[in-house]
Parts: sequence; structure tokens; C-alpha cells
Amino acid sequence: QVQLVQSGAEVKKPGASVKVSCKASGYTFTNYYIHWVRQAPGQGLDWMGIINPSGGRTSYAQKLQGRVTMTRDTSTSTVYMELSSLISEDTAVYYCARDLDGRYLDYWGQGTLVTVSS
Amino acid sequence: QSVLTQPPSVSAAPGQKVTISCSGSNSNIGNNYVSWYQLLPGTAPKLLIYDNNKRPSGIPDRFSASKSGTSATLDITGLQTGDEADYYCAAWDSSLSATSATVVFGGGTNLTVL
Repeated sequence: QVQLVQSGAEVKKPGASVKVSCKASGYTFTNYYIHWVRQAPGQGLDWMGIINPSGGRTSYAQKLQGRVTMTRDTSTSTVYMELSSLISEDTAVYYCARDLDGRYLDYWGQGTLVTVSS
Repeated sequence: QSVLTQPPSVSAAPGQKVTISCSGSNSNIGNNYVSWYQLLPGTAPKLLIYDNNKRPSGIPDRFSASKSGTSATLDITGLQTGDEADYYCAAWDSSLSATSATVVFGGGTNLTVL
């Protein structure tokens, strides 16, 4: 069965970086894009960007350009999202989600809580 | 401020029907597929509707959706207390650049089953 399993919760200080992983199983890793979406406390879903695991090409939300980096390791079917220069507003649950061809996100990871606090 | 506009909340009694609207523009809903997601408290988002009106396997036919122009709607009939959740619409958006599209979500609608 399709599974996206994310790494555990993180607590970071302002200015630090965080790297969240998303390990895929149950399907051909390179056949599906992976999106990252976050939800801050009491807020809605916020799209962060997308990576094509096949070639590694990425596209990021404009407001995160320069702070977010998405990478993949095809040997372990894992996608990574790194967010740098963290601020308190980055406190959120971060989700990875699968997408076959740019129409919808059909499977989601369980979410990773990232807390930014001094 | 979300690119797609949804009502913050809707409510109805068990067994009744509720409609959630999602309004956008030509750069998103008008020229791209709409999908809908359900967020139950404490759980990851779940795909409810894709390609404007299709249900994934396992989603009951109480959930239906449609799209017209730059707007979309999600209908839920035969409401159950287990339907209490937040619902989000989504679509690709090409307003910034045709080669740098982004995914946009609605602000979410909280459904209360009274």
C-alpha cells in the first residue's frame, strides 16, 4: 500500500534550519511528484513547493524562495524539505503529499510538527 | 488572505445537506482542475474529490462536487457527525508565470454537524 512516512517532530530556535524527511513506499518513487504543504496553528493549508523525484527539478512558493530547499534520494525513496532562517511564523505541521501529474494530491504523509521558539 | 475564497464555516443538522463554495479566477479554477480535501481533527488531509467532480475509491457518494467557470462547490448529503472537519479546495494557479505555476488552497471551511 502507498505510504508516505515523515520524520518526527522538531523544536528549533529562531534563525536555525530544519530538515524534514518523507519516505515513500508502495509505488514507483520516480513516477510521482511530491509536494510540501504546511498548516500553521489555526490557519489553513499553505503550499510550499514541489519536487520531481525523477530528475530533482523543483518549484517553490515565491514567498519561501531562498529559504526552502527540496531534495530527493532515489536510493532510499526519500524526499527532504529544508527550511532555513526559521522564524516563529514557521511553526506549523508540515506535510508531504504525492501527485501523479499535477492535478491532485492523493496520498499525504502523517505530518511533522516543527516548533520555532526561543 | 487565500487565493481561493471559501466560507469560514457552515453548519447543518444530521441527515441534511450542506454546500461549500470555492471561488477563484481564470488563472486557477477557470483553467485548471479543482480538488477537495478533508481535514479531520488531528489527522492528515484526505483527498475527497479530484478532477472537479471525481471521487477516489472509498469516498462515499454522499460527497459530490462540481465546477462552473471560476467557481466550484462541494456538496455533502446525509450529514453525519463524523463529517465534522475542515474542508479545503485547491487548484493550480498560473498567475505568476506560465512556467512557474503554484498550487493554491482555499482558506478552509469548518463544517459543524449540529
